[in-house]
Amino acid sequence: QSALTQPASVSGSPGQSITISCTGSSSDVGSYNYVSWYQQHPGEAPKLMIYDVSNRPSGVSNRFSGSKSDNTASLTISGLQAEDEADYFCISYTSSSTYVFGTGTKVTVL
Amino acid sequence: EVQLVESGGGLVQPGGSLRLSCAASGFTFSSYWMHWVRQAPGKGLVWVSRINSDGSRTNYADSVKGRFTISRDNAKNTLYLQMNSLRAEDTAVYYCARGVIRGYYFDYWGQGTLVTVSS
Repeated sequence: QSALTQPASVSGSPGQSITISCTGSSSDVGSYNYVSWYQQHPGEAPKLMIYDVSNRPSGVSNRFSGSKSDNTASLTISGLQAEDEADYFCISYTSSSTYVFGTGTKVTVL
Repeated sequence: EVQLVESGGGLVQPGGSLRLSCAASGFTFSSYWMHWVRQAPGKGLVWVSRINSDGSRTNYADSVKGRFTISRDNAKNTLYLQMNSLRAEDTAVYYCARGVIRGYYFDYWGQGTLVTVSS
């Protein structure tokens, strides 16, 4: 199972919006609305930011939103803040009853 | 408070074995799917394996199938990962994570335990 494809890095200035893509296939992202997104700061465990494509857990800022079109899911961070600087990973359930993570994206706040 | 605490990591030679444990507390362990996820130094997250609530169903990533075995002891609230025939590429921090009931994502993670495979 190949990793889902994410851009290696995305950057933006404070207050701007950025979008991270997560491209898979018809065996994973394209077949299920079971894409979630995790934020990871250096040395820390991942934190759930979005589940089931577009749902936000309680406690997560509404500046984070998710969507999906065909085989590509996306995470948008609006009103970028310094604390958003971190690595972001998508993950999808697959037709093999397994999971596959994305390659990860480093978000830099300029 | 939900807590997941991994242990059992360390240095092991190629071809060797190691068993990781994940002690769970603060929730009804026997009701949840549990997962192992790993992260090589400086690299991304990789899903490794999952086990259902009563231990009767398991799934593995192709990269570990036949070498790793996931199991659980619901009486001890503990998740395990038996790792055999270890390779250098298995070097990583191993996290346990709780899968949500009737969902396909992970809501709580442990802090991880480092496994280093080297001679």
